[in-house]
Amino acid sequence: EAQVTQNPRYLITVTGKKLTVTCSQNMNHEYMSWYRQDPGLGLRQIYYSMNVEVTDKGDVPEGYKVSRKEKRNFPLILESPSPNQTSLYFCASSPTLGESYNSPLHFGNGTRLTVT
Amino acid sequence: KQEVTQIPAALSVPEGENLVLNCSFTDSAIYNLQWFRQDPGKGLTSLLLIQSSQREQTSGRLNASLDKSSGRSTLYIAASQPGDSATYLCAASSNAGNNRKLIWGLGTSLAVNP
Repeated sequence: EAQVTQNPRYLITVTGKKLTVTCSQNMNHEYMSWYRQDPGLGLRQIYYSMNVEVTDKGDVPEGYKVSRKEKRNFPLILESPSPNQTSLYFCASSPTLGESYNSPLHFGNGTRLTVT
Repeated sequence: KQEVTQIPAALSVPEGENLVLNCSFTDSAIYNLQWFRQDPGKGLTSLLLIQSSQREQTSGRLNASLDKSSGRSTLYIAASQPGDSATYLCAASSNAGNNRKLIWGLGTSLAVNP
């Protein structure tokens, strides 16, 4: 089954404790992206990746890191989480321009992160 | 700067009604307009994608239209069912080079009552 898998689904942590949210897709998509969703602000892009070893900042990259060492994986790293990073996070993927720019995004089920 | 607005923010209808969800955007230079469905505890599911050169797309009981000149898109749901209850999000894809730059609305929360 074609899917984007995020782990964990729920995470409660304390300020400053490094964490990683994993994202994996099995559709051989080049493009992957991370979003956060907050009430009243909607979905905002954190980072995106056009292909292996190619990543770039989205609209709200501060406090986050990503890596793309393999095509299928795109982990989101919070080196020193703070309470303002409490949010619902989504990973998404799609074929890139070369195949079809007008392909819809495929989303994971989300990770609800609480930083106390 | 592109802004996407969805009205109404919430909608409650009896089962069987036909309904229209609205999405407006401020910059007509979009690549496409996408509609998604979000269920509690789950991710977003793509419903329909309308390319900038298209006027509408249909999938089952769903029909989405796009009018770039007026900056509007509508999602029409025919014969609504309780299973249609969810939050519906629209997103406008701007011409931002290689990035899938999507500007999102805040969504319309739909409740279809049996």
